[in-house]
Amino acid sequence: GQQLNQSPQSMFIQEGEDVSMNCTSSSIFNTWLWYKQDPGEGPVLLIALYKAGELTSNGRLTAQFGITRKDSFLNISASIPSDVGIYFCAGQLSNTGKLIFGQGTTLQVKP
Amino acid sequence: NAGVTQTPKFQVLKTGQSMTLQCAQDMNHNSMYWYRQDPGMGLRLIYYSASEGTTDKGEVPNGYNVSRLNKREFSLRLESAAPSQTSVYFCATNRGRSEAFFGQGTRLTVV
Repeated sequence: GQQLNQSPQSMFIQEGEDVSMNCTSSSIFNTWLWYKQDPGEGPVLLIALYKAGELTSNGRLTAQFGITRKDSFLNISASIPSDVGIYFCAGQLSNTGKLIFGQGTTLQVKP
Repeated sequence: NAGVTQTPKFQVLKTGQSMTLQCAQDMNHNSMYWYRQDPGMGLRLIYYSASEGTTDKGEVPNGYNVSRLNKREFSLRLESAAPSQTSVYFCATNRGRSEAFFGQGTRLTVV
């Protein structure tokens, strides 16, 4: 079964609000990736994290690689309507190299 | 520069029919993946290939076979399609610990 637990499953927020989502697992990862997917498209990378404790920003997005290597979070500040979509975390397992995904967080932004 | 190319983009099969989904990458990456995406389930790993000539099962391998023909190509075969295999299938590739690049997806319906 799914080894990554992503929460929340969905969010409906007002434009301008900040957003936070996270992924946790019992497994250890050597890489964390955060993706956004628009309808009918493949996932597109937002942020990549390669080191435990690493905190990386990309514009209004900030993500961190948990110190235990079992979790990661993504924050979006000052949300805008084009932030709407499905956000996925993905972790590369240290023992096998497999890249597995969370269930996704569906974000809706009300103007 | 095509990146990751999946064919076909759409397919309708009758129960019991067989078909092969093709994936080719021109990024010279070692690792390739097949995922299926169903509503609310995120992307679930079907099979993984760390390098040419090697394959490994993912989270949901039952009903599928794969073939890593060479470094560029990784195919997914459904020997006897079932309605439960109706899904969107994504191929992805990466080089070790790095972001994964995705194809545009194959939308498969089994009736």
